[in-house]
Amino acid sequence: GQNIDQPTEMTATEGAIVQINCTYQTSGFNGLFWYQQHAGEAPTFLSYNVLDGLEEKGRFSSFLSRSKGYSYLLLKELQMKDSASYLCAATDSNYQLIWGAGTKLIIKP
Amino acid sequence: ETGVTQTPRHLVMGMTNKKSLKCEQHLGHNAMYWYKQSAKKPLELMFVYNFKEQTENNSVPSRFSPECPNSSHLFLHLHTLQPEDSALYLCASSPGLDHTGELFFGEGSRLTVL
Repeated sequence: GQNIDQPTEMTATEGAIVQINCTYQTSGFNGLFWYQQHAGEAPTFLSYNVLDGLEEKGRFSSFLSRSKGYSYLLLKELQMKDSASYLCAATDSNYQLIWGAGTKLIIKP
Repeated sequence: ETGVTQTPRHLVMGMTNKKSLKCEQHLGHNAMYWYKQSAKKPLELMFVYNFKEQTENNSVPSRFSPECPNSSHLFLHLHTLQPEDSALYLCASSPGLDHTGELFFGEGSRLTVL
């Protein structure tokens, strides 16, 4: 079956760096998304990777290894507002989105 | 403001009630989706509409009935729900169905079934 695994919860300190991992098993692959969702709010798009490598967007970076079925989201210079859930989703060969259960990130002062 | 608006934001209903959730997008997108989000579970795709036509129904119980009168509006009609249907219901839209671009989500309707 198709599956996305990501940690349920992580805690990090303000100003630090945190890496949220995601592994996927899909029938074919057409890209991987990361979304951020603050409590009570809509998920919002962070990144999309379809080729191997690291893509940087300000304090956030996303990495993909297609051969390993692995991605991570790297958040630098953490701020309190980064406390949120981070959702990983992979697109399979039929362009269907397979979602992970999300990682709740708690930032402490 | 994400361009996708959902109403109501919160809804409490008994198992015998009939209610509807509404979604509206002003992004000119052709595809619209209903998702169910339960705590600590992946997003569950319920229905997909493309150019007002339903293209996917993921074995959703008939007590959930979608309606898409035009490409900008999507409804989810609810009747005789069960307590396990309590969840956050998210509407989303995208330009097309190929999922190589982002989904635009509404803030969701939090449903509690008593």
